[in-house]
Amino acid sequence: DAKTTQPTSMDCAEGRAANLPCNHSTISGNEYVYWYRQIHSQGPQYIIHGLKNNETNEMASLIITEDRKSSTLILPHATLRDTAVYYCIDGGFNTNAGKSTFGDGTTLTVKP
Amino acid sequence: ETGVTQTPRHLVMGMTNKKSLKCEQHLGHNAMYWYKQSAKKPLELMFVYSLEERVENNSVPSRFSPECPNSSHLFLHLHTLQPEDSALYLCASSQDREGLGPLHFGNGTRLTVT
Repeated sequence: DAKTTQPTSMDCAEGRAANLPCNHSTISGNEYVYWYRQIHSQGPQYIIHGLKNNETNEMASLIITEDRKSSTLILPHATLRDTAVYYCIDGGFNTNAGKSTFGDGTTLTVKP
Repeated sequence: ETGVTQTPRHLVMGMTNKKSLKCEQHLGHNAMYWYKQSAKKPLELMFVYSLEERVENNSVPSRFSPECPNSSHLFLHLHTLQPEDSALYLCASSQDREGLGPLHFGNGTRLTVT
């Protein structure tokens, strides 16, 4: 079973910020939070990751709470092409850490 | 555009056939993975290779046989599959030899078993 929980679906208006939450209450001190997205019929695409500090790149921003038990992925100006399933994963893919599993993710629909 | 290339993109095979899926990564990564994504199910990790050595096999049936001849190439050999094996098979790679770091996925092979 996935160790993270996300809402099943969200809508966002085109041009507005999309804020996608994730709970990772069992995350351990050395585990990162990773975000990926999967557009229909394609492989998942890496977006961003962080340990405890907030992070920003050309695709998105990642806000991690101080206790590290939850995070929010922010797409500052959502476009129709951002419609996808977004996955929040905690951990690495270190074999000793076992299965950092993908859950069902959040289906984000960006509407005109 | 992806640094991980999978071929073929689509494959239809009968239950008695033998086929192979190929994955190639151009990123200089040290770890490679096979995932299975069935309809309306989460991704399932099948195999992990680190520096060409298989380090994880998640109770995958023996009709799936992986091969990693070098750190850039990964194969999944298929034989006597069942219809329930129809799925999207995804290959991924990561930089760190322990498997840490972001995964980079290919666009998958859509497999249909008839």
